[in-house]
Amino acid sequence: SQQGEEDPQALSIQEGENATMNCSYKTSINNLQWYRQNSGRGLVHLILIRSNEREKHSGRLRVTLDTSKKSSSLLITASRAADTASYFCAPPNDKVIFGPGTSLSVIP
Amino acid sequence: DAGVIQSPRHEVTEMGQEVTLRCKPISGHNSLFWYRQTMMRGLELLIYFNNNVPIDDSGMPEDRFSAKMPNASFSTLKIQPSEPRDSAVYFCASSLDLEDRALQETQYFGPGTRLLVL
Repeated sequence: SQQGEEDPQALSIQEGENATMNCSYKTSINNLQWYRQNSGRGLVHLILIRSNEREKHSGRLRVTLDTSKKSSSLLITASRAADTASYFCAPPNDKVIFGPGTSLSVIP
Repeated sequence: DAGVIQSPRHEVTEMGQEVTLRCKPISGHNSLFWYRQTMMRGLELLIYFNNNVPIDDSGMPEDRFSAKMPNASFSTLKIQPSEPRDSAVYFCASSLDLEDRALQETQYFGPGTRLLVL
């Protein structure tokens, strides 16, 4: 089983700025998912990108996938204070396993 | 749908006591996962079930932990006896295991049970 490794571990930005988080994984994948966790709450699924996709959008979220580098990135545009949360990537597995996540703080 | 339901939401107990956490997955989902989250260790998968059968319990820390899924709509995680180091937030998640593995399951998490063992 593999887990994704998010980078950076912590990120602090001003409201309105863009936030970029990266994820690296070890083995080949069919798809990759990103989740968000608000403080004290369970994880919420954000987006799934398949291995034959290079980029995917959902609202203010943009996810890229580079299977040759075994990496993915999550971009949040025009960040809001409500985006403050931890973000996890999850490469596919028999079970979804989460790395340490990126803790994002958006300062109003 | 009400989503994944966990109870209790908070539990404070004394060392040595038995603790039982409960989970009701989303109706129709056939996989259920128990996670533990602490600041030190992050989010750890403890055990997961598929069609009520435990598939992988390698994450269960020790014999004090046990999990059951007597039917498709209910699961328990029991700690006996509890210890202060068991203090954590315990999450239950469920998913629909599709035959097309390429889709991978999207997990839906419950609100968690915050456990404090004194």
